[in-house]
Amino acid sequence: GQNIDQPTEMTATEGAIVQINCTYQTSGFNGLFWYQQHAGEAPTFLSYNVLDGLEEKGRFSSFLSRSKGYSYLLLKELQMKDSASYLCAVSDSNYQLIWGAGTKLIIKP
Amino acid sequence: GAVVSQHPSWVICKSGTSVKIECRSLDFQATTMFWYRQFPKQSLMLMATSNEGSKATYEQGVEKDKFLINHASLTLSTLTVTSAHPEDSSFYICSAPDRDVNIQYFGAGTRLSVL
Repeated sequence: GQNIDQPTEMTATEGAIVQINCTYQTSGFNGLFWYQQHAGEAPTFLSYNVLDGLEEKGRFSSFLSRSKGYSYLLLKELQMKDSASYLCAVSDSNYQLIWGAGTKLIIKP
Repeated sequence: GAVVSQHPSWVICKSGTSVKIECRSLDFQATTMFWYRQFPKQSLMLMATSNEGSKATYEQGVEKDKFLINHASLTLSTLTVTSAHPEDSSFYICSAPDRDVNIQYFGAGTRLSVL
């Protein structure tokens, strides 16, 4: 079966760095996506990785290792507004997105 | 990024009535759109894949006669919740993939409350 695993909840301090991990087992791979979802709102796109390595976009970076079925989202210089759920999703061989359950990130002052 | 517009953002209706939700891709064409449902504190659940000019593909357990999907043009898909009941109260979200990179862009969502 297809499976995406990510931690349910994480807590970090304002100004610090946090890494949210995601492991996946899917039938085929056409890219991995990270989305941010604030409570009561729709997800917004953060990053897309299809090749191994690190993609950096401002305070957010996303890493992919296809051989290990592993990705992480790195958030630097955390701000209170970063408190949200972070969703990992993988595009399978049919280009259908398989979603993880999301990681709720709590930022404390 | 691409923009997906979803309307209405909030609906309150009586049990037994039907509710239509629209999803539009504003600056790109989408032959495929996706409809999700999300209950409080739960993950996104894909309901169906909307295909322009053909029938929608429903996920297992989703009643196609209850959740009617129409994808009449390359920029518009509609979801109609027929004979809504309180258990249908949820957050409904549509998305459309950018054709080049296959990134899914989401509408703002529709919060449905059935009394």
